[in-house]
Amino acid sequence: AQKITQTQPGMFVQEKEAVTLDCTYDTSDPSYGLFWYKQPSSGEMIFLIYQGSYDQQNATEGRYSLNFQKARKSANLVISASQLGDSAMYFCAMREGNSGYALNFGKGTSLLVTP
Amino acid sequence: EAGVAQSPRYKIIEKRQSVAFWCNPISGHATLYWYQQILGQGPKLLIQFQNNGVVDDSQLPKDRFSAERLKGVDSTLKIQPAKLEDSAVYLCASSLASWGPDTQYFGPGTRLTVL
Repeated sequence: AQKITQTQPGMFVQEKEAVTLDCTYDTSDPSYGLFWYKQPSSGEMIFLIYQGSYDQQNATEGRYSLNFQKARKSANLVISASQLGDSAMYFCAMREGNSGYALNFGKGTSLLVTP
Repeated sequence: EAGVAQSPRYKIIEKRQSVAFWCNPISGHATLYWYQQILGQGPKLLIQFQNNGVVDDSQLPKDRFSAERLKGVDSTLKIQPAKLEDSAVYLCASSLASWGPDTQYFGPGTRLTVL
């Protein structure tokens, strides 16, 4: 069964606008971590933001924020004030357990930022 | 601080040939992961090492894939013999394997094409 679901294969956003990339997850483990990575055309996976299952507040990192809705099992990434350099693939991933475990990735969302 | 290093960046081989990839993790990172990313999909774990011991290799096709991490630092991933379906990007990642985010940092990947 798919543990991470990203339903948007592709998204467009205009420069300086905000965009939300959806992610839902499935786990029965009470302890887990949720990650978002950016993968530009160069291929490297760049860590953006992390949310732990016990964290009370939504994570934020600069222009990135994570809209964590635990009861709905969703962890949407919000990018504010989009820039042309944000055009890339975005992957949501989950680690079940406290630490030291591998990530389960979604299929990704391709984001294109237009001028 | 130097990131995760991988080589080669690109490799083209014919089916039934063998190939090896090398990874040098971030200094001090105990855990090392090899992921396979097929075009249009998210990365999938092949094998995970904790120091020089294997933690998870349940998704490694052991009839053709092998990996080792001698002395708990560098790692090599080998495919012998290669099949057409092995065409993918092979990503190496490392993490501290400590409490909390235990963020995985990825190398630039090796893009393998099997003809």
